[in-house]
Amino acid sequence: GNSVTQMEGPVTLSEEAFLTINCTYTATGYPSLFWYVQYPGEGLQLLLKATKADDKGSNKGFEATYRKETTSFHLEKGSVQVSDSAVYFCALSVGAGGTSYGKLTFGQGTILTVHP
Amino acid sequence: DGGITQSPKYLFRKEGQNVTLSCEQNLNHDAMYWYRQDPGQGLRLIYYSQIVNDFQKGDIAEGYSVSREKKESFPLTVTSAQKNPTAFYLCASSIGGRDGNIQYFGAGTRLSVL
Repeated sequence: GNSVTQMEGPVTLSEEAFLTINCTYTATGYPSLFWYVQYPGEGLQLLLKATKADDKGSNKGFEATYRKETTSFHLEKGSVQVSDSAVYFCALSVGAGGTSYGKLTFGQGTILTVHP
Repeated sequence: DGGITQSPKYLFRKEGQNVTLSCEQNLNHDAMYWYRQDPGQGLRLIYYSQIVNDFQKGDIAEGYSVSREKKESFPLTVTSAQKNPTAFYLCASSIGGRDGNIQYFGAGTRLSVL
């Protein structure tokens, strides 16, 4: 089956620190990979995605590279801000394309708190 | 503005009661999904629908029911058979094709048991 494993949280950083949140996956087939972010009391928003090996997704200063050889999709940001405090979810989907709708498999989420 | 609207934001259920959570989208998406989120856990899929008048069970469908009579609407009923309903419920939709696995989420409904 498909599964996603994220690093244990919570993660607490000072503003302008470097962020890494690890994500590894197992999948039957060739997955697309995603990072979603959830701000307090809200639903999830797509942060970035990558659909094939060596693709780099990026958005709002966050980056993640699809590493097929290590089955990883680690999230990084060079300088975090207080406004980045949220829960981050790694997810994968296999089988979308044409008229197919891929189901998402989520990791357990990592809580990030950034202090001024 | 296009988006997904979930209501109510907070809901309380009494013992033995069925409650219905609303999800409406004006994105013209074919597929819609319901997830349950518990503290410290990821999202778990309850039901999904790829087309009007059709839906499939997800990983944790027991104690829940859905309908898809209109493209825009995908209500979720939490029945009395669901013994542990307290959770945050999220509705999502997607467009299909290669981007069919990009899902767009509502703001959620928090359900508690009285």
